[in-house]
Amino acid sequence: AQTVTQSQPEMSVQEAETVTLSCTYDTSESNYYLFWYKQPPSRQMILVIRQEAYKQQNATENRFSVNFQKAAKSFSLKISDSQLGDTAMYFCAFINGDDKIIFGKGTRLHILP
Amino acid sequence: DAGVTQSPTHLIKTRGQHVTLRCSPISGHKSVSWYQQVLGQGPQFIFQYYEKEERGRGNFPDRFSARQFPNYSSELNVNALLLGDSALYLCASSPRVAVYNEQFFGPGTRLTVL
Repeated sequence: AQTVTQSQPEMSVQEAETVTLSCTYDTSESNYYLFWYKQPPSRQMILVIRQEAYKQQNATENRFSVNFQKAAKSFSLKISDSQLGDTAMYFCAFINGDDKIIFGKGTRLHILP
Repeated sequence: DAGVTQSPTHLIKTRGQHVTLRCSPISGHKSVSWYQQVLGQGPQFIFQYYEKEERGRGNFPDRFSARQFPNYSSELNVNALLLGDSALYLCASSPRVAVYNEQFFGPGTRLTVL
């Protein structure tokens, strides 16, 4: 079965620090998509960043970047210069060959003032 | 522009009852997907509809059904409610059928089954 594992249930960092959220996944597919979604306390989930597996270059979106290690099946999210508004649940997600998205259990991130 | 809207916001039902949840996608979006998010878990895919046809189904029992209307809004129906159906139900819309495109989520409907 294809799975997505987020090993850090909860993390706290000081504002302006850099934080890395971990994600590993399991698949036998060679081409797939990976995502990080953010769910703030107001509940509306938004896409943070997307990575296509066939692209070697790691995706970046402003302060958010990923470290995609295909051989290790690892997809971590780095948040630089963290801000109070980054406080949220972060979900790693994977699209499998059946075109069904699978989410991890999430990491609750607290940015402390 | 209006985002994805869902109604109702909260709902309380008792075991065995039926529930209908509604979703209006972003204007121009033809794909609607439904997810169940149990407390402390990530969302689980239930259905995807595109152009009024079912394009994907997750591992949910037949008590769960959905449909999409000509205006691309959608309903999720759950029959014979169980306590384990208590969850946040999320709707997401997208302009294209492939779910690897960005999905835009609504605020969800919190269903409590007593």
